Amino acid sequence: KQEVTQIPAALSVPEGENLVLNCSFTDSAIYNLQWFRQDPGKGLTSLLLIQSSQREQTSGRLNASLDKSSGRSTLYIAASQPGDSATYLCAVRAGGGNKLTFGTGTQLKVEL
Amino acid sequence: GAVVSQHPSWVICKSGTSVKIECRSLDFQATTMFWYRQFPKQSLMLMATSNEGSKATYEQGVEKDKFLINHASLTLSTLTVTSAHPEDSSFYICSARGAGGYNEQFFGPGTRLTVL
Repeated sequence: KQEVTQIPAALSVPEGENLVLNCSFTDSAIYNLQWFRQDPGKGLTSLLLIQSSQREQTSGRLNASLDKSSGRSTLYIAASQPGDSATYLCAVRAGGGNKLTFGTGTQLKVEL
Repeated sequence: GAVVSQHPSWVICKSGTSVKIECRSLDFQATTMFWYRQFPKQSLMLMATSNEGSKATYEQGVEKDKFLINHASLTLSTLTVTSAHPEDSSFYICSARGAGGYNEQFFGPGTRLTVL
């Protein structure tokens, strides 16, 4: 059974700092991995999707990497801003499967 | 990215009543839709997966007679919570994915259900 873990569970940083969020998964036979953002009381916003054959994806200040063999992904946020404050979730889709397995989330707070 | 809407965004109902939540994909055809529930400070728990025109596949422990899912068209799925009770109070989120290579999963804004 796939298990997805995110470290740290919570993170507080000053504005402008670069930061890294970590995601690990136990079964490396994945189809793809997605990073999401969730604001309090809201749904999920898809940030980046990495296919199993890819090593990284970039969108603006966000960069996500994938090391499938070691079961790890990182989300790098450059020059963090207070508007980046949210919970970040990673999710993996099993190879040949239909479902996403979600991580436990990292609650990020960027302070002025 | 693609847009998924949910209606209503919140609902309060009395115990014993039924509540229907709609999920629509606004700018793409969703061959597969998913329903999740989320408790405070917890991650999403998949309830069921539905393909257009087929019966939904429920996850273990989810009562299919209590949570009725209909995916009658490529842009609409509904979740009906029948005879709701306070323990059904939760945040319900739907998600949709298109066919073929368009395999990114997009999420709706969620529906907050409170059962009194």
